[in-house]
Formats: sequence, structure tokens, C-alpha cells
Amino acid sequence: AQKVTQAQTEISVVEKEDVTLDCVYETRDTTYYLFWYKQPPSGELVFLIRRNSFDEQNEISGRYSWNFQKSTSSFNFTITASQVVDSAVYFCALSVGYDMRFGAGTRLTVKP
Amino acid sequence: ETGVTQSPTHLIKTRGQQVTLRCSSQSGHNTVSWYQQALGQGPQFIFQYYREEENGRGNFPPRFSGLQFPNYSSELNVNALELDDSALYLCASSLAGTLSSEQYFGPGTRLTVT
Repeated sequence: AQKVTQAQTEISVVEKEDVTLDCVYETRDTTYYLFWYKQPPSGELVFLIRRNSFDEQNEISGRYSWNFQKSTSSFNFTITASQVVDSAVYFCALSVGYDMRFGAGTRLTVKP
Repeated sequence: ETGVTQSPTHLIKTRGQQVTLRCSSQSGHNTVSWYQQALGQGPQFIFQYYREEENGRGNFPPRFSGLQFPNYSSELNVNALELDDSALYLCASSLAGTLSSEQYFGPGTRLTVT
């Protein structure tokens, strides 16, 4: 069975600090997809990134970057120079075929 | 481009009752997935509909059922409500009938079962 672990329940930082959200996944399948979603207080999840299991290239999008390492089954998310608007719950997710698993989420609070 | 909408926003039901939640997918999307998100937890996949057929299901009992209509909107029906069914129900639309593509989520329906 698939599993996603986000060990950090809550993180609090001061604006402009860098912060990394950890995600560890478990699957025996060789073909899978990893995702990060953001859930602001309004409730709807916002897609941030998707990675397939054959593409370990790291990605940067503005202040966001993602580090995918199959050797450690990790897909970590870093926000550089955090801003108050980054405050939200962030979910890492794993899909294998028709099975989709989300982690429990990390609540990020960015203080001014 | 119209985003994903869900109705109602909030709902209070009594244990044993039945409920229907509705979702309109994003324009051009033919796939709808439903998730249950209990307070403080991540979403749990209920099922997915693609071209009016259920093509994937998570670990939920048969009293959770759904429909997808020709315009790709969808309904989630829950029979014999239990207290543990209290949660935020999220609908997501996407293309291609898989769980590997980017999904666009609606704001959710908050269901409270008393």
C-alpha cells in the first residue's frame, strides 16, 4: 500500500526566512506521481507541482523549489524568502494508478 | 474560464439520513474526483468519475455513491449517515480520467452529522 508522511505538523517562521517542508513517501510501484498542494484558509486546494517517478530533476518556480530524491523516497518543498501570503496548510500527495494518498499536511505560519 | 464550484457550502444532517452533494467541473474537464477531508487531516480519495463511469475508488463503503452527468458535473450521495461522515467534502476536476494529472479543486462542502 502507498503512504505519505509529512512529519512536520506545524512550522512557524518570520517573513523572509527560508523554510523547507518535508515529504517522505512509500510505494513498491516504479511508476507513480508526486504532488504538492496548498490549502489556504478558504479551503480549496491549489495545485503547485507534479512530478513523475522517472523525472528526478529538481524544479524552481519563483520562490518555490522542489527536491525529488528517489534514493531517500523524499520530495521536499522549499520556500525562499517566505511571505505572509505563504501561510497555509501544505499537502504532499502520491498517486499510483487509481490510488491517491495525501499526507496529513504541514501548517505553515509566516509572521510579519 | 469557470472554476470548480460545489453546493451547498454547508450542510447539517442527522445520523441515518441521506445527503447529496453537487459539483460542477471546470470548463473543458471530463473527470471528477471526490475526496473526504476530516478536520486536521489530509484529503482521502473516495472515487473518480470519467465520462459518466466510476473508474477508480478508494477505501469507502458502498453507501458512498456518485453520478456524473453528460455535462461532466457530478453528485456524491451518502446514505445512512454516520457521525464520522462529518467532514469537508472536496470535488476536483481534471482531464484524462486518471489520478496522475493536475487537479483543480472546488471550495468544498462542509457536512456536519449530528
